Amino acid sequence: EDKVVQSPLSLVVHEGDTVTLNCSYEVTNFRSLLWYKQEKKAPTFLFMLTSSGIEKKSGRLSSILDKKELFSILNITATQTGDSAVYLCAVDINNDMRFGAGTRLTVKP
Amino acid sequence: ETGVTQTPRHLVMGMTNKKSLKCEQHLGHNAMYWYKQSAKKPLELMFVYSLEERVENNSVPSRFSPECPNSSHLFLHLHTLQPEDSALYLCASSQDKGRGAFFGQGTRLTVV
Repeated sequence: EDKVVQSPLSLVVHEGDTVTLNCSYEVTNFRSLLWYKQEKKAPTFLFMLTSSGIEKKSGRLSSILDKKELFSILNITATQTGDSAVYLCAVDINNDMRFGAGTRLTVKP
Repeated sequence: ETGVTQTPRHLVMGMTNKKSLKCEQHLGHNAMYWYKQSAKKPLELMFVYSLEERVENNSVPSRFSPECPNSSHLFLHLHTLQPEDSALYLCASSQDKGRGAFFGQGTRLTVV
């Protein structure tokens, strides 16, 4: 059965800290891995990763994929209170998209 | 605003009612999706339309019926729902199936 597992499920840090969120997967027909940020309702697209070892970067956020070990990490440096959200990992497997349960990040002032 | 608009934002319906959720995208995308987000469960993909062609998802009960009249509009017709169908229903679109999707704000559905 295809599955996507995120860890930790929740995380509380202070502003300025660096965090690493994990996503591991076991799926057939892997096409890509996507990261989303969900604050209130609509998840916001962050990154799509298809190749191993190539870091995607956007400001303080970065992500990398390891297709051999079947995981991805999302790094956030110098965290801010506005980074508080649920971060979702999803794997595209052809006609289906499997989401992890998410990591709830809380950044305290 | 992500360019994907869902209406209504909130809906309360009885188990014998028939209602429809609407989604419209102004991004020129050719793939649209319905997702269900229940409390304490991962986001679940319900239906995919790519170039207005539906990809079957056999795990979705028949009381949910999607319709995609054109590449900009997507509907989810609901009938004889159960209380456990109460959830946030999210619509999304993307340029080509499988690429990063843009989500609407969702419809919070409560079945009483």
